[in-house]
Amino acid sequence: DAGVIQSPRHEVTEMGQEVTLRCKPISGHDYLFWYRQTMMRGLELLIYFNNNVPIDDSGMPEDRFSAKMPNASFSTLKIQPSEPRDSAVYFCASSQQGPGELFFGEGSRLTVL
Amino acid sequence: AQSVTQPDIHITVSEGASLELRCNYSYGATPYLFWYVQSPGQGLQLLLKYFSGDTLVQGIKGFEAEFKRSQSSFNLRKPSVHWSDAAEYFCAVGLSGNTPLVFGKGTRLSVIA
Repeated sequence: DAGVIQSPRHEVTEMGQEVTLRCKPISGHDYLFWYRQTMMRGLELLIYFNNNVPIDDSGMPEDRFSAKMPNASFSTLKIQPSEPRDSAVYFCASSQQGPGELFFGEGSRLTVL
Repeated sequence: AQSVTQPDIHITVSEGASLELRCNYSYGATPYLFWYVQSPGQGLQLLLKYFSGDTLVQGIKGFEAEFKRSQSSFNLRKPSVHWSDAAEYFCAVGLSGNTPLVFGKGTRLSVIA
């Protein structure tokens, strides 16, 4: 079975540009999570969905960040406009029930110049 | 608020030596407990989990962890480390089946010959 698929794996952009990260969760998983990983702050939960509905977005740092899940097989995380401090690895993860046993994608490494 | 502490940022062990990675949590009740491993450039992979029952749990790749309620700890152990175990290890906790996991900052393991 395919795991969680994220794209792009690497993104380099300039400050002010729009960035869109994509995620395809494992089929049949009801929960989808977006995490951000940095050296300073570790793994931070940005937002999570249950059955395509956003449950908690309190981790989204600013209004520049938005996330959608239009259907059970696709989610996006958008940053507009991007800033250098947004540089990080963004992970998408899914789970079949509750928050346990998360299955992670390989991450999208974002560099904002 | 719940928190997870991994006191060791970086540990170096010799190949064949035993390993113990520490994890302490702060919760009012017994949480769900997890250990994940992250190889360079990869997403996180579940090593093992504890929900209830036997406090010594076995995981993949020869790892085990022991839940000690009195110490609020869930330390990860391996009797003999292999060079391929070099990676970042994350402890995570969840309150219930419907709350997101909180991750520790991670411990980086280096293995020397």
